[in-house]
Amino acid sequence: NAGVTQTPKFQVLKTGQSMTLQCAQDMNHNSMYWYRQDPGMGLRLIYYSASEGTTDKGEVPNGYNVSRLNKREFSLRLESAAPSQTSVYFCASSESGEGYTFGSGTRLTVV
Amino acid sequence: EDQVTQSPEALRLQEGESSSLNCSYTVSGLRGLFWYRQDPGKGPEFLFTLYSAGEEKEKERLKATLTKKESFLHITAPKPEDSATYLCAANTGGGNKLTFGTGTQLKVEL
Repeated sequence: NAGVTQTPKFQVLKTGQSMTLQCAQDMNHNSMYWYRQDPGMGLRLIYYSASEGTTDKGEVPNGYNVSRLNKREFSLRLESAAPSQTSVYFCASSESGEGYTFGSGTRLTVV
Repeated sequence: EDQVTQSPEALRLQEGESSSLNCSYTVSGLRGLFWYRQDPGKGPEFLFTLYSAGEEKEKERLKATLTKKESFLHITAPKPEDSATYLCAANTGGGNKLTFGTGTQLKVEL
C-alpha cells in the first residue's frame, strides 16, 4: 500500500520558471492538501481540496495554483517561481476528522 | 486567529529520562488535536488524535493528554529511536484543515 506519492523528490528551478508538483493517493480519501514547511515557520497550508471537484485557498496561496484532477490526484503548480518559494512541499490526504497521511515531500530550490 | 504553540523548541534527554512536550492552543472551536512524529527528510507520521478535554491515548512509550487549553505528549523511558521532531496540530474548521505548531525537536542520547 503506497499511501501518498509525491513527485519529484527534488527540484531546482530558476527564477521565473514554472513547474507542477504531482501528488497521488491510493487510500480513497476525499480530502487532499498541500503544505509548505520552512525552518521556524512550521507547516503552512497552501491549498486544499475537501472533495473531488472542489479546491480552496489556505493560509499562503499566493503564487500557486492547484488542480484536483480526480479523487486520487491533486497537483500544485508554480507559474513563475520566486526564491521565496524555496521550501519543502508536502501533500497529504485524509478522511474527515481523521489524521492526515503525508507524502515524503518535494524539496524545491529556486535560484 | 487560530494559534498553536509548542514548547520547548528543542529537548535533549538521556535514555530512560522521562519528560513531557507541551502544545498550547488558542482556537475557535477545537475539532481535534493531532500529534505527529517527523524524522529528518521525511513527511510527518500520524500518532494520535484527541477530541475532548480529559482524553488520553497511548502508544508504546508515548502518551498524549488533552485539556481545554493545551495538550501534553509524555515520553516514558525514552530510547534513542524516539529522537525526532514532534508536531502538534489543531483542527478548527471545515475541510479538516489543520493548523500546526512549529514542533519540538527531541534528541535522546545513550
